[in-house]
Amino acid sequence: GNSVTQMEGPVTLSEEAFLTINCTYTATGYPSLFWYVQYPGEGLQLLLKATKADDKGSNKGFEATYRKETTSFHLEKGSVQVSDSAVYFCALSGKAGGSEKLVFGKGTKLTVNP
Amino acid sequence: SQTIHQWPATLVQPVGSPLSLECTVEGTSNPNLYWYRQAAGRGLQLLFYSVGIGQISSEVPQNLSASRPQDRQFILSSKKLLLSDSGFYLCAWSAQGVKTQYFGPGTRLLVL
Repeated sequence: GNSVTQMEGPVTLSEEAFLTINCTYTATGYPSLFWYVQYPGEGLQLLLKATKADDKGSNKGFEATYRKETTSFHLEKGSVQVSDSAVYFCALSGKAGGSEKLVFGKGTKLTVNP
Repeated sequence: SQTIHQWPATLVQPVGSPLSLECTVEGTSNPNLYWYRQAAGRGLQLLFYSVGIGQISSEVPQNLSASRPQDRQFILSSKKLLLSDSGFYLCAWSAQGVKTQYFGPGTRLLVL
């Protein structure tokens, strides 16, 4: 079945550091890939997405490239801010039981210190 | 633009009491609707999804149920809560034929 594996957290960085959160997936067919962000006490917000191989999703300085050959969708940001502290979820959308469903990784908690 | 609402925001209930959580979507018609649960320190688990009024699919066996009495209203219920029902409940919607899901603010449920 479809599954998503993302790096275990927590991740702690200093402001302006480079961020990478690894995400790999297992899926049949050609899933769409997503990164969602959850700030403390809130719901999930869509951060970025990619719908086909070699697509790059980007938003708010975050980027991720859909790599079919390595089945990966790693999240990167060149210079993190304190306000980026949150939990990040990688997800894929694929067919399961006749319907499109999202499958999530377990989340990676990021803390950025000033 | 579309918005999704959930209420209540926080709920503390005794074991064995009933539950009703509500989710409504504005600004779209005939959305797909989803209920997820996020237990402390864990990922998201899909509980129910609905592709139309009165159409509910359950993903995991449990003492929860869902109903969709109106096009843009999705309700999560229980007749008797268990301690293990504690968690953060998230409602989401997607447009028909579109894979991207958009989430509500969530309801934090504590069963004591």
